[in-house]
Amino acid sequence: QQPVQSPQAVILREGEDAVINCSSSKALYSVHWYRQKHGEAPVFLMILLKGGEQKGHEKISASFNEKKQQSSLYLTASQLSYSGTYFCGTPTGGTSYGKLTFGQGTILTVHP
Amino acid sequence: DARVTQTPRHKVTEMGQEVTMRCQPILGHNTVFWYRQTMMQGLELLAYFRNRAPLDDSGMPKDRFSAEMPDATLATLKIQPSEPRDSAVYFCASGVVRGGGDTGELFFGEGSRLTVL
Repeated sequence: QQPVQSPQAVILREGEDAVINCSSSKALYSVHWYRQKHGEAPVFLMILLKGGEQKGHEKISASFNEKKQQSSLYLTASQLSYSGTYFCGTPTGGTSYGKLTFGQGTILTVHP
Repeated sequence: DARVTQTPRHKVTEMGQEVTMRCQPILGHNTVFWYRQTMMQGLELLAYFRNRAPLDDSGMPKDRFSAEMPDATLATLKIQPSEPRDSAVYFCASGVVRGGGDTGELFFGEGSRLTVL
């Protein structure tokens, strides 16, 4: 089951903040975040585990609320280099334990 | 730098032809994923291997697609026969199972861009 991301696209000026949300209809035990720049492969940002954990990568942080089955990615004081498509990934359990399915992506554009 | 290597990087073929894409995962990684990326569908999971065993290929059209890991250094994705709707970028990613069995950080290859005419 694919997680759902919102918004689909965000346009910012340098220095502005943004929040990208990821939600699932199934119980989550972790959420994975990746960023993909145009024409390149996705690159790992962070993994969040159950427990309301928050993590950070540069000025990018994230939270995970397993009760609400949601995660949010916070981009603070955005830089031009933050432009790209952000994907959240949610693993499944059962016989396909660890299978990582990605949301449809959120396109972030940062202008000078 | 250890990296996931995919070949070919670009492939243009005609409808009906067989296409084979290859992936060399990072040495020591025990999970391999194949994803297909299009503008409309985003990153679609096609197949998932753990310790070379196929755990899930439910995202793959079975009549024309097949995925294998003949050994720990090679994963293949084959399309036979290919169709124009298969045009996409195909990514291979590898990683290591974390404690508890969850998937850890995935390292993506640069992708194989397939165009079927």
